[in-house]
Amino acid sequence: AQSVTQLGSHVSVSEGALVLLRCNYSSSVPPYLFWYVQYPNQGLQLLLKYTSAATLVKGINGFEAEFKKSETSFHLTKPSAHMSDAAEYFCAVSKTGGGNKLTFGTGTQLKVEL
Amino acid sequence: GAVVSQHPSRVICKSGTSVKIECRSLDFQATTMFWYRQFPKQSLMLMATSNEGSKATYEQGVEKDKFLINHASLTLSTLTVTSAHPEDSSFYICSASAGAAYEQYFGPGTRLTVT
Repeated sequence: AQSVTQLGSHVSVSEGALVLLRCNYSSSVPPYLFWYVQYPNQGLQLLLKYTSAATLVKGINGFEAEFKKSETSFHLTKPSAHMSDAAEYFCAVSKTGGGNKLTFGTGTQLKVEL
Repeated sequence: GAVVSQHPSRVICKSGTSVKIECRSLDFQATTMFWYRQFPKQSLMLMATSNEGSKATYEQGVEKDKFLINHASLTLSTLTVTSAHPEDSSFYICSASAGAAYEQYFGPGTRLTVT
């Protein structure tokens, strides 16, 4: 069975500050890991994904995440927050490249303040 | 990137009626489509997985007779909520993939309100 835990349902940062959203996973097989962003009343957009290649993954909008097997973590970071980053972020795990069943975390609402 | 559309984006129906939601992959052939349900301020819960031309696989606890899924072509899947009740009100999101090794693309969602 696979599962994802996102620590912190709400994260608030100042504009220009570092963004760190935490994700820990549990998987019985080598995982494929994803970060998605959701704006209000919209579907999900893929930010980045880990598919067993490089452990540091760069995504869109300046986001990146590092896969750490020893810590079973896949935390999402961005060096400098922008107001437009305010949204809901979901971490997800899959057994394959993503075209298979995804298990989502509970989400983290990111608030960016002036 | 690939585009997935959903129609309608919003629908209000009366209790006891049925409503159909369409999910289309606009620029690729989707061998697999997924249907999710999202309650306010919560995560996405997978309802079912459908492969083109075969019956959908429902997740535990999802009533297959209530949530009818059809995946008749490689670009279209439909979710029909039968005899809808207020507790079925939710945000329904579909996604599509060209296969297990490929990325899953999400539609913009459909807001269903049952009065």
